[in-house]
Amino acid sequence: GAVVSQHPSRVICKSGTSVKIECRSLDFQATTMFWYRQFPKKSLMLMATSNEGSKATYEQGVEKDKFLINHASLTLSTLTVTSAHPEDSSFYICSAPDWSSYNEQFFGPGTRLTVL
Amino acid sequence: DAKTTQPPSMDCAEGRAANLPCNHSTISGNEYVYWYRQIHSQGPQYIIHGLKNNETNEMASLIITEDRKSSTLILPHATLRDTAVYYCIVREKRPGNQFYFGTGTSLTVIP
Repeated sequence: GAVVSQHPSRVICKSGTSVKIECRSLDFQATTMFWYRQFPKKSLMLMATSNEGSKATYEQGVEKDKFLINHASLTLSTLTVTSAHPEDSSFYICSAPDWSSYNEQFFGPGTRLTVL
Repeated sequence: DAKTTQPPSMDCAEGRAANLPCNHSTISGNEYVYWYRQIHSQGPQYIIHGLKNNETNEMASLIITEDRKSSTLILPHATLRDTAVYYCIVREKRPGNQFYFGTGTSLTVIP
């Protein structure tokens, strides 16, 4: 099946810094990607829809200036957590639909962000 | 928003069938039922999906009631590696459509 990768898998940063997380579709093109965050023992919460060549669509309550999304190509979306704070520590997961398979949403392995 | 209800947790003996229920009483006619699972600290993994007919693949079977208001995911011979959180999701079958996750069922397979 299709593969989605994320980089880095883990990141630790100091409060106030910005962190960029990459999401790549490895063997298919993705005009749309999705970003989720997941707190311990909680479900995945959709943050935003990343659209290639246009602005991302954010879910209600998600600060677009805090979580910057750039979908620069058909295989890459990036999520930048700006001025990170300890409460931003979470597991961030991206996903992408494979239009050729049409049936499935492929998820990346996730990025564990820890803000000190 | 999630439109499904699942029990928070279940246990299953290794080698036995695991039957995971899901209620989706407000499902609309063009919405499919999808099942994903998430093993600890990994991204969710696709299992199966269906519209109204029962479906089977190498991983599991999906039984959807005739009124489509509920479904059951069946893992025929559970192994320890099937221990995970299982999510039932309903959505229209369009690639650009979002997946909204509910709370899922934490399945523990017991040796």
